[in-house]
Amino acid sequence: SQQGEEDPQALSIQEGENATMNCSYKTSINNLQWYRQNSGRGLVHLILIRSNEREKHSGRLRVTLDTSKKSSSLLITASRAADTASYFCATDRNQAGTALIFGKGTTLSVSS
Amino acid sequence: ETGVTQTPRHLVMGMTNKKSLKCEQHLGHNAMYWYKQSAKKPLELMFVYNFKEQTENNSVPSRFSPECPNSSHLFLHLHTLQPEDSALYLCASSADRGSGNTIYFGEGSWLTVV
Repeated sequence: SQQGEEDPQALSIQEGENATMNCSYKTSINNLQWYRQNSGRGLVHLILIRSNEREKHSGRLRVTLDTSKKSSSLLITASRAADTASYFCATDRNQAGTALIFGKGTTLSVSS
Repeated sequence: ETGVTQTPRHLVMGMTNKKSLKCEQHLGHNAMYWYKQSAKKPLELMFVYNFKEQTENNSVPSRFSPECPNSSHLFLHLHTLQPEDSALYLCASSADRGSGNTIYFGEGSWLTVV
C-alpha cells in the first residue's frame, strides 16, 4: 500500500529559482529517503534522513523531517535545467527487514 | 551506471508469449527487488529476495514468476500477460533488507503487452 504522497504533483519553475516538494506519510518510520528519476530511467538515491533528525543538507539539496506531522520537504536551491525529473519520497514501514514504499512523485520542470 | 544491469531494456510480447526479464547487480548486495511502475501510479513493490530467499510477495499474480538463483541475479519470468501489465519493471538491490539501506535501481525494462 502507498505510504508516502508527494505534493505538488507537478511543479514548473525557471532556472535559478528554488523548488520545494513535500511528502506526507501515514505510519511511523525509521527513516525517509528521497529519490530522483529522469524520464524513463531508473531511480537514483538523493538523500536519507533518519527519524531522529530534523534537517539534512547535501549540496543544493535540503531535506527536513517533521515526525509529529508525518511530513518531509525537499528543497532544491538555485535550480538548473538538469534538475528536471520526477522526485519521490520513500519510507520503510518501521519494521525490520522491509523494502521501501514510494509515493507517486513530483514532476519538476525547470526551464532555462 | 548504478551497478544494477537490466536486460532487455525494451520488450514487446503477445499475451500468449513467455519471456523473461533479467537483472544482475555488481554491488555485492544481498537483497534484490522487483518494482513495477505504471503511468500515473506509485511504484509498486512486487517481490523481495534476501540471500536468494523470497521474503515478500506483494500479492502479485502468478503470471509473474520470480527466480533468484544467487544473490547477484534476479529474473522475472512472464507468461500469459495482459495488456494492463505493460509498464516499466525496475530491478533494485540493497546491502540487505535492513532499514536505512539505500536502494540502487537498474534502468528498467519497458514491457509492452500486445
